[in-house]
Amino acid sequence: DAGVIQSPRHEVTEMGQEVTLRCKPISGHDYLFWYRQTMMRGLELLIYFNNNVPIDDSGMPEDRFSAKMPNASFSTLKIQPSEPRDSAVYFCASSTGQRASEQFFGPGTRLTVL
Amino acid sequence: AQSVTQPDIHITVSEGASLELRCNYSYGATPYLFWYVQSPGQGLQLLLKYFSGDTLVQGIKGFEAEFKRSQSSFNLRKPSVHWSDAAEYFCAVGFSGGYNKLIFGAGTRLAVHP
Repeated sequence: DAGVIQSPRHEVTEMGQEVTLRCKPISGHDYLFWYRQTMMRGLELLIYFNNNVPIDDSGMPEDRFSAKMPNASFSTLKIQPSEPRDSAVYFCASSTGQRASEQFFGPGTRLTVL
Repeated sequence: AQSVTQPDIHITVSEGASLELRCNYSYGATPYLFWYVQSPGQGLQLLLKYFSGDTLVQGIKGFEAEFKRSQSSFNLRKPSVHWSDAAEYFCAVGFSGGYNKLIFGAGTRLAVHP
């Protein structure tokens, strides 16, 4: 079975540009999570969805960040405009409510904003 | 508020030596407990999990962890470390009651000397 798929794996962009990160969760999973990992702050939960509905976006750092889940098999995390401090690895994870919190992580997208 | 503490930021052991990574949590009820491993440039992989029952849990790659309610701890152990175990290890706590959110510790980076 395919795991969580993220694209792109690496993204280099210039300050002020729009960045869109993509995630395909494991089929049948009804929870989707977006995390950000940096050396300074570790692993932070940005937002999570249940059945395509955002449940908790309290971790989204500011209005420049937005996330959508138009259907059960696709989610995006958008940063507009991007800033150098957004440079990080962004992970998507998915889980099913039947297995209480066990999350499966994608390989991550390494974002560099110049 | 719920929290997870991994007191050791870095640990270095010799190959073949035993290993124990510490994890303490703060939560009013019995949590769901996880250990994840992250190799350089990779996503997080689940090593083992505790939901209920036997407090000694076996995981992949020869790891085990023991839930001690009285100490609010869930320490990870391995009797003999291999060089390939060098990675970062994250303890995580999930909660009953309808949430599938995890709170992660800051991580412990393990180095293995030959």
